[in-house]
Amino acid sequence: GDSVTQMEGPVTLSEEAFLTINCTYTATGYPSLFWYVQYPGEGLQLLLKATKADDKGSNKGFEATYRKETTSFHLEKGSVQVSDSAVYFCALSDLFHSNDYKLSFGAGTTVTVRA
Amino acid sequence: EAQVTQNPRYLITVTGKKLTVTCSQNMNHEYMSWYRQDPGLGLRQIYYSMNVEVTDKGDVPEGYKVSRKEKRNFPLILESPSPNQTSLYFCASSYTAGHEQFFGPGTRLTVL
Repeated sequence: GDSVTQMEGPVTLSEEAFLTINCTYTATGYPSLFWYVQYPGEGLQLLLKATKADDKGSNKGFEATYRKETTSFHLEKGSVQVSDSAVYFCALSDLFHSNDYKLSFGAGTTVTVRA
Repeated sequence: EAQVTQNPRYLITVTGKKLTVTCSQNMNHEYMSWYRQDPGLGLRQIYYSMNVEVTDKGDVPEGYKVSRKEKRNFPLILESPSPNQTSLYFCASSYTAGHEQFFGPGTRLTVL
């Protein structure tokens, strides 16, 4: 079945450092890929998404490119801020190539940014 | 304001005492889903609903029930809660399956 593997955390960075969170996936078809962010005490919210190969999703300074050849969707940000401290989840949805009507999530990566 | 609401936000209960966690969305979404979040496991889907009166099992449905009598509401029912159902629960909705999901704030459940 479909699955998502994320790099394990926790990740601790200083402000203005470069952030990368690796995400790879396994899917039978051509899934849509998502990054969700969960700030402390809140629900998940969509950070960015990509629906086909070579698409780049971007939002709030974060970027991720859908790489079909490496089945990856790594999240990057060039200069993190304390307010980026959160848990980040990679997820996929393969609705149109399977009967699996769900988002499959990675385990989540906790990121802490120090001032 | 477009939102998904859950109640209660926090609940401590005892084994075997039936409980219901409510979920409501005001976006006229067709698709709704329940997830549980456990450390190191990410989010796992419990049940989902494609539309009114259409529900199906997710990855971890054992011990849970749902109903979808109205489009906006999707309650999660634990008929006889057990300690292994202690978790953080999220309700989510989307325009239709496969699209961006909007999440509620979560319900932290402890079963003693």
